[in-house]
Amino acid sequence: GENVEQHPSTLSVQEGDSAVIKCTYSDSASNYFPWYKQELGKGPQLIIDIRSNVGEKKDQRIAVTLNKTAKHFSLHITETQPEDSAVYFCAASDDYKLSFGAGTTVTVRA
Amino acid sequence: DAGVIQSPRHEVTEMGQEVTLRCKPISGHDYLFWYRQTMMRGLELLIYFNNNVPIDDSGMPEDRFSAKMPNASFSTLKIQPSEPRDSAVYFCASSPWTGGAGAGNTIYFGEGSWLTVV
Repeated sequence: GENVEQHPSTLSVQEGDSAVIKCTYSDSASNYFPWYKQELGKGPQLIIDIRSNVGEKKDQRIAVTLNKTAKHFSLHITETQPEDSAVYFCAASDDYKLSFGAGTTVTVRA
Repeated sequence: DAGVIQSPRHEVTEMGQEVTLRCKPISGHDYLFWYRQTMMRGLELLIYFNNNVPIDDSGMPEDRFSAKMPNASFSTLKIQPSEPRDSAVYFCASSPWTGGAGAGNTIYFGEGSWLTVV
């Protein structure tokens, strides 16, 4: 089955700086890579996703890059704000079974 | 759009008791998923349904766990008998059908049911 590794497990950044989270996956058949944000006491919420026919996707301050050859993808958050503090999960799938990374706890310092 | 609705939000029960978690998916979504989240194991897929039919239950940990989807707007996850190691957050999620080939439909999660078995 698919195995997704996520790094780092915790990330502390100064407000206004950038945050980068990296994930690797094992199954070359995976072709869908979503990122979820989970705030305390809530369910994961999709923030951005990318499919295998695209190398990069951007949505305002958030961007995701995908390198299928190396089997890794990354989340970039620019100009971080306090409300970006949360746990972020990457995931990979080639069907409806998402395999999640272990999560990154992001703390934005004011 | 009301989103995926789960109940109860919190439940504390004694070991050995039956626990039933409920889920109402987003209207029009053909896929329904049950996930479990723990500190040790992260987010795990337990089972998923397509058009009310269970497709893959390989993630269900034991026979004590069962899930049903009697209609397109309701699903249950039942644990009988419950054990302390079942304490976790259980998420229901749903996803639409794109109508095309390939993977990658957005999956929407509910707020979760926080289960504590003492």
